[in-house]
Amino acid sequence: QVQLQESGPGLVKPSETLSLTCTVSGGSISGYYWSWIRQPPGKGLEWIGYIYYTGSTNSNPSLKSRVTISVDTAKNQFSLKVNSVTAADTAVYYCARYHVRGDYFDYWGQGTLVTVSS
Amino acid sequence: EIVLTQSPGTLSLSPGERATLSCRASQSVRNSYLAWYQQKPGQAPRLLIYGASSRATGIPDRFSGSGSGTDFTLTISRLEPEDFAVYYCQQYGTSSLTFGQGTKVEIK
Repeated sequence: QVQLQESGPGLVKPSETLSLTCTVSGGSISGYYWSWIRQPPGKGLEWIGYIYYTGSTNSNPSLKSRVTISVDTAKNQFSLKVNSVTAADTAVYYCARYHVRGDYFDYWGQGTLVTVSS
Repeated sequence: EIVLTQSPGTLSLSPGERATLSCRASQSVRNSYLAWYQQKPGQAPRLLIYGASSRATGIPDRFSGSGSGTDFTLTISRLEPEDFAVYYCQQYGTSSLTFGQGTKVEIK
């Protein structure tokens, strides 16, 4: 059973960089696409972007200029960086496995709340 | 980007009743690759349906999906107490992946 776990700081100051890591267990990161999705408190889901295990990426055009997604196959991890954060970036951040043939997410992490505040 | 509009916003029903949720896309969804998720408070979304009508592993057969093009439906044939939750549709098209705003199924 594939499991995903997000980790990283729960509090980030405005204008700084949000950094999160997703650790995949129970299966290899190789051969799949991996994604980040966020959900502001009380609101809906927003796709941030995805990465293939080879390192190729695709991101939401609305966030593309501030987002970097990377992968470390040796550690079975992938990561997210969002720079120049504001209060609008406060959200629960989820990592998930993405099937590009079918366009769906089958395994999700439990999510981690990141608050942007001074 | 393709906008997904879900209706109704809230559905008030009793256990045992049938729930019909709608998801309408602003443009045709490629290959009818539309997915549905269930989310309960404090939990991550759970995949229910992919490819508009294929049930994910372990999903009870009271959940069914249908539709193509721009109009899709999630049906829960008989609501169980654990089915009261928020449901989202999702698609990928025109270089961006989008979710609907969600339909909350609440106990009447």
